[in-house]
Amino acid sequence: QVQLQESGPGLVKSSETLSLTCTVSGGSISNFYWSWIRQPAGKGLEWIGRIYTSGTTNYNPSLKSRVTMSVDASKNEFSLKLSSVTAADTAVYYCARDGPFTGDGGPEYWGQGTQVTVSS
Amino acid sequence: QSVLTQPPSASGTPGQRVTISCSGSNSNFGSNYAHWYQHLPGTAPKLLIYRNNQRPSRVPDRFSGSKSDTSASLVISGLRSEDEADYYCAAWDDILRGYVFGTGTKVTVL
Repeated sequence: QVQLQESGPGLVKSSETLSLTCTVSGGSISNFYWSWIRQPAGKGLEWIGRIYTSGTTNYNPSLKSRVTMSVDASKNEFSLKLSSVTAADTAVYYCARDGPFTGDGGPEYWGQGTQVTVSS
Repeated sequence: QSVLTQPPSASGTPGQRVTISCSGSNSNFGSNYAHWYQHLPGTAPKLLIYRNNQRPSRVPDRFSGSKSDTSASLVISGLRSEDEADYYCAAWDDILRGYVFGTGTKVTVL
């Protein structure tokens, strides 16, 4: 059973870059869509974007100018960078992987999430 | 703001039937699958319904989904206390070239 674990700083200063890594265990990182989703406190889920293991990306248009995703197959992990953060970027960040069910690259397996707070 | 609209809340007593609607458009539900996720606070969201009306084997059959034109629905038949959670619809959007989640519905078991 594939497992995903997010890691990274829990506190980021305003205007700096948020960097998170998702480590994958129990399966290969190859030939899947890897996504990042976030949830601000008291609000709904927001899809940030996804990357295929070939490097092809799709980003949420509202975040596209600030988002970079990458995959490191040698480490079985993928990463998210979000630049010029503000308090509005404070949220629980989830990493996820697609699977055989959704059929459109949608998330099926999720990490437990990690809280990131942007401080001024 | 999300392009998929759900009612903010729904409720029922144990054993009742609860229906959650999700309104979208031609660019998402009109040409792509609807999926549903169950999210309990402090845990990872779980895929509940996929490809409009399919259930993973671990999901009880009291959960069912449907899609018609540009809207989708989730039905919980025989509501149980453990069903108290947030529920999100989701779909790929051809115009945004991205995934979109619904606004979310909090289900309360009275």
